[in-house]
Amino acid sequence: DAGVIQSPRHEVTEMGQEVTLRCKPISGHDYLFWYRQTMMRGLELLIYFNNNVPIDDSGMPEDRFSAKMPNASFSTLKIQPSEPRDSAVYFCASSPGPNTDTQYFGPGTRLTVL
Amino acid sequence: QKEVEQNSGPLSVPEGAIASLNCTYSDRGSQSFFWYRQYSGKSPELIMSIYSNGDKEDGRFTAQLNKASQYVSLLIRDSQPSDSATYLCAVNPSNAGGTSYGKLTFGQGTILTVHP
Repeated sequence: DAGVIQSPRHEVTEMGQEVTLRCKPISGHDYLFWYRQTMMRGLELLIYFNNNVPIDDSGMPEDRFSAKMPNASFSTLKIQPSEPRDSAVYFCASSPGPNTDTQYFGPGTRLTVL
Repeated sequence: QKEVEQNSGPLSVPEGAIASLNCTYSDRGSQSFFWYRQYSGKSPELIMSIYSNGDKEDGRFTAQLNKASQYVSLLIRDSQPSDSATYLCAVNPSNAGGTSYGKLTFGQGTILTVHP
């Protein structure tokens, strides 16, 4: 299996621009998670999906952030408008099923907002 | 606010020594516990999971869990330079009903350096 795939791997944008991060989970995994990692705050869960349905978005920092999972093999995290404080590494992870806690992380997207 | 705290690093040990990494958590109803390793510039990688009190061994790694003390640790025996990384403790907290679900809370991580 190719593992969790994320794109782009690096994104540099200017404040105010829209940013879309993409994720393809491991085939057959029912859970998908979006995390953000910064030096100051560590690794934080933003939102997670079960069978394409958002279950908990309490970690989404504000309305500028939105996430969708239109099908089992694709998810997006969108930031509009972006701000410099959004600069971080964003990870997508997937997990096989409801009784399995193991999460497999993608390589991450390093976002820089100027 | 659910919290997971790790001993502040960085931790430096000589090659061949035992590295001890510690983690405490605040949610007494937490069900499952994980140790992830993260090399610089890479994504977290699961190395150990533990669900019951006691020790769990996997090769050079031993995870220890004490739910009464809300404490989980990771021991790395015969430490190698390739073990140098950040180690993240993660906890799956309980929901209001006391059952487990897939949401993890991570600690800030402990940087481990193994020097030759």
